Amino acid sequence: DVKVTQSSRYLVKRTGEKVFLECVQDMDHENMFWYRQDPGLGLRLIYFSYDVKMKEKGDIPEGYSVSREKKERFSLILESASTNQTSMYLCASRVQRETQYFGPGTRLLVL
Amino acid sequence: AQTVTQSQPEMSVQEAETVTLSCTYDTSESDYYLFWYKQPPSRQMILVIRQEAYKQQNATENRFSVNFQKAAKSFSLKISDSQLGDAAMYFCAYDANTGNQFYFGTGTSLTVIP
Repeated sequence: DVKVTQSSRYLVKRTGEKVFLECVQDMDHENMFWYRQDPGLGLRLIYFSYDVKMKEKGDIPEGYSVSREKKERFSLILESASTNQTSMYLCASRVQRETQYFGPGTRLLVL
Repeated sequence: AQTVTQSQPEMSVQEAETVTLSCTYDTSESDYYLFWYKQPPSRQMILVIRQEAYKQQNATENRFSVNFQKAAKSFSLKISDSQLGDAAMYFCAYDANTGNQFYFGTGTSLTVIP
């Protein structure tokens, strides 16, 4: 079975802090994704990566950056956390044209 | 950009009954994929069913089936013999045959009444 893990299930941070969310997949997938999930808005794509060191902006990249130094690991970085970034963050991975496999999610609260 | 619309924010069904969740999408492509995902209260999103647009036959997975109407750009999910474990948020998703991006609907929260 494909496994996608995320470093934390719950995080509480203060405004202005730098936040790292990490995602690891164990199936050698080329493509990895970061979404945020908010009630009534569904899943919105922040960034995705189709190869090591390659990234593309999604629909809502502002305030976020990403890093993919190794194929299995995709990190989401909030350079200076703000309260409007309080949300559920979901990581996913897949091979081209197949389904996405999701991690369990990280619920981030920014105070 | 492609859009995916789920017009039913909440649905409920009696245990053992059948329920249909609606999804429409907007695209100018002819070759694409459609998915239904389930997100139980534990939050791990899992695939329910997948449909390839070039296949006319509707996909089925045990108690789950879809009604894919390509011309109408409609992709509904039917859950037969509903069980308590079917209670979850369901998301419809569209994947073009080009690029990497999925487009998700806003979700339908399904309650199963014992």
